[in-house]
Amino acid sequence: QSVLTQPPSASGTPGQRVIMSCSGSYSNIGSNSVNWYQQLPGTAPKLVIYSNDKWSSGVPDRFSGSKSGTSASLAISGLQSEDEADYYCAAWDDSLNGPVFGGGTKLTVL
Amino acid sequence: EVQLLESGGGLVQPGGSLRLSCAATGFNFSNFALTWVRQAPGKGLEWVSAISNSGGNTYSADSVKGRFTISRDNSKNTVYLQMSSLRAEDTAVYYCAKGSGTSPKYNWFDPWGQGTLVTVSS
Repeated sequence: QSVLTQPPSASGTPGQRVIMSCSGSYSNIGSNSVNWYQQLPGTAPKLVIYSNDKWSSGVPDRFSGSKSGTSASLAISGLQSEDEADYYCAAWDDSLNGPVFGGGTKLTVL
Repeated sequence: EVQLLESGGGLVQPGGSLRLSCAATGFNFSNFALTWVRQAPGKGLEWVSAISNSGGNTYSADSVKGRFTISRDNSKNTVYLQMSSLRAEDTAVYYCAKGSGTSPKYNWFDPWGQGTLVTVSS
């Protein structure tokens, strides 16, 4: 059971816009910034969004992040087949004194 | 180019010990926190342990506290994870990742190494 809650799956067709959610609590998302990681099949995770809404180097601006209260979201517009991956949200948790991850959302491009 | 290369994984019996290493290149190692994150087969990411740039502050998940110890040698640009009293549930790919600041707190992780597989089984 992950501290941050993400839907297990999401899907879209090429060119569509997809939004993935991440829900937490006051001690994590409510108090600290959210970061998003992309994990392509068989590879290590890669940072895509940091500090809620900033693009990591080399990440296209089709990716965008936002945060409101104790929830955050990652949006991908102009969906492409290479976006098919697992996406994880993460934030520092002041109560646990460590970073916490969501369970991940598996994005399928139909 | 910033690179992290983990090593030391393998098959170990329950109750055994293993030390993972993560060698870093391409950045001023002593200026950044480092962290270990693991991923059990078919599962999500789980933070394991983190260490500040100087090594003076360490943090560990409750699931490994008292069994795993993180350390670093800034002269060798290497961070270690000493794992003892290993259990079947510790079976995972272990990734090291560079933090965004001197303290592990509030960091994002970029980049990540390729990971090393630890299998705990008799």
